[in-house]
Amino acid sequence: AQSVTQPDIHITVSEGASLELRCNYSYGATPYLFWYVQSPGQGLQLLLKYFSGDTLVQGIKGFEAEFKRSQSSFNLRKPSVHWSDAAEYFCAVGLTGFQKLVFGTGTRLLVSP
Amino acid sequence: DGGITQSPKYLFRKEGQNVTLSCEQNLNHDAMYWYRQDPGQGLRLIYYSQIVNDFQKGDIAEGYSVSREKKESFPLTVTSAQKNPTAFYLCASSISREGGETQYFGPGTRLLVL
Repeated sequence: AQSVTQPDIHITVSEGASLELRCNYSYGATPYLFWYVQSPGQGLQLLLKYFSGDTLVQGIKGFEAEFKRSQSSFNLRKPSVHWSDAAEYFCAVGLTGFQKLVFGTGTRLLVSP
Repeated sequence: DGGITQSPKYLFRKEGQNVTLSCEQNLNHDAMYWYRQDPGQGLRLIYYSQIVNDFQKGDIAEGYSVSREKKESFPLTVTSAQKNPTAFYLCASSISREGGETQYFGPGTRLLVL
């Protein structure tokens, strides 16, 4: 069965420091890949997505992610974190054909001053 | 402005009661989805619908029901058979574009049991 692993439940980063959130997936074919962000009590906002082509994708709010097929990974990065980035981040895998998403369990980002 | 609306923001259910969560979208998306979110478990798919008058069970459909009579609307009923309904419920809709399908989410409804 398809699965998504986000190994870090919590991450604390100092404001202005760089950020990398890890995501690994298990799926037989090349999946569609997504990162979403959720503020407390809110819905999910799409940060970026990968369908095909260039393996480095740019998203909103200065985020980027790189698809590495050999490592089955799709890690999210940001060069300089702002206090407003504190939220929960979800990686998701979409199956080919109909787009049923499988979500990771999320990583909560805390930003320290 | 186009978007997805969910109502109410908070909903309280008494034992043995059925409650209905509303989801409306004006994005002209064909497909709609319901997810349940519990702490530490990510999102789990309850039901989805690709077209009007058709829907399929997701991974955790027991104790829930849906209808899709209009393209814009996909209400979810939490029945008395759902023994642990306390959760955050998220509705989404999707569009196929740029070689893939992308889901967009509403603001959610938090369901609490009295």
